Parts: sequence; structure tokens; C-alpha cells
Amino acid sequence: GNSVTQMEGPVTLSEEAFLTINCTYTATGYPSLFWYVQYPGEGLQLLLKATKADDKGSNKGFEATYRKETTSFHLEKGSVQVSDSAVYFCALSDQGRDDKIIFGKGTRLHILP
Amino acid sequence: DTEVTQTPKHLVMGMTNKKSLKCEQHMGHRAMYWYKQKAKKPPELMFVYSYEKLSINESVPSRFSPECPNSSLLNLHLHALQPEDSALYLCASSSRSLLGYEQYFGPGTRLTVT
Repeated sequence: GNSVTQMEGPVTLSEEAFLTINCTYTATGYPSLFWYVQYPGEGLQLLLKATKADDKGSNKGFEATYRKETTSFHLEKGSVQVSDSAVYFCALSDQGRDDKIIFGKGTRLHILP
Repeated sequence: DTEVTQTPKHLVMGMTNKKSLKCEQHMGHRAMYWYKQKAKKPPELMFVYSYEKLSINESVPSRFSPECPNSSLLNLHLHALQPEDSALYLCASSSRSLLGYEQYFGPGTRLTVT
């Protein structure tokens, strides 16, 4: 079945460091791919998305490119801030009848000032 | 506006109580979802409503009873819960387009069962 694998955390970086959170997927067909972010004590927020191969999603300085050849959707940011500390979930849409979203396990990010 | 609202924000209930969680969206989305999230875990899908009809029940115990009174509202009725049901309950909504779709989540209700 469809699945998402993302790097284990926690990831700890200093402010202004470069961030990469790896995400790979297994899917039949052509799923849409997402990154969601969950700040402490809050619900999930859609951070960015890509709907087809080679699409680049971007938002708030974060970027991810839909790579079909490597089945990857890695999240990157050039210079992280303390306010980016959160849990990041990679996800794909299971575009069958069910309209399900399949989440990775999440990666906790800590940014040190 | 991409807002999904949920009430209450926090809820503490005993195992014999009956309570309800409420969710509302005004984005015209025709699919709405209930998820359960335990600490340090991703959300787990519980129920999906599509065009106000229950389309998915992920084998959720009957002590959880969903209801969709109209296209903007989604309720989750709780009865005789167990302590292990303590979690963050998230509501979401989505709409399809030719470019795919995404789900928009509410802030959640933090439920504690004593």
C-alpha cells in the first residue's frame, strides 16, 4: 500500500542554519504531496504542496520539489528561525475513492537561538 | 479564508459522561474528517463525511458517534470513554479540484478522560 517515510527526529539546529528534512514515498498512481507543520499545542497547518512531478511547493521560505524518479519530497529552508521549531509531517493524498491522506511519522525540529 | 474552528479547546470528562465535540467550516468544502492524535504521533483517521454522508469509518469503537447536521458542521458525540481515549481530536475539511486537494485542519480539542 501507499506509505510515507521521513527522517527520524528530533533535529536540532542553530538559528540561520540550513534545514533539510528527508521524505520518501511509496505510491501507485500520481499522488499529491504535502508538508504539514504542527506548532506546540496547535492543530496541523498546510505548509506547502505539489501535485505533479517536478512541481516545487514553497511557503514562508520553505521549499520542496516533487521528484518522481527518486520518489522524494524533501523539505528545505535556507535559514531557519527559532519560530520554526515545530513538528513537520510529510504526507501524500491517496487519491482513490477514500480521499485519505497518509502521513509520515513526523519530524520534531528544535531551533536554538 | 481557510479556517476550521473547533469547540471546546479543552475537555475533561469522566468515563460515564456524555459530551460532544463540534467542528465548523465555511469554505464550502464537502468533505469533513475526524482524526485522533496521540502525543508524538501523526493523526489517525477516524471518520470521513462526504456530501454529509458517512463514507469512511476506520473501525472506530461505537463509544464515538459522528454526526454531520449540514455541510458546514461536524460533531463527534462521546459516551462511556476510556482513559486511553485521551488525545487531541482534530477536525479537517477538504475540497477536490482538478489539481488535487488538501485538507485544512482545525486547532483541535484536547480531551482528557478521567
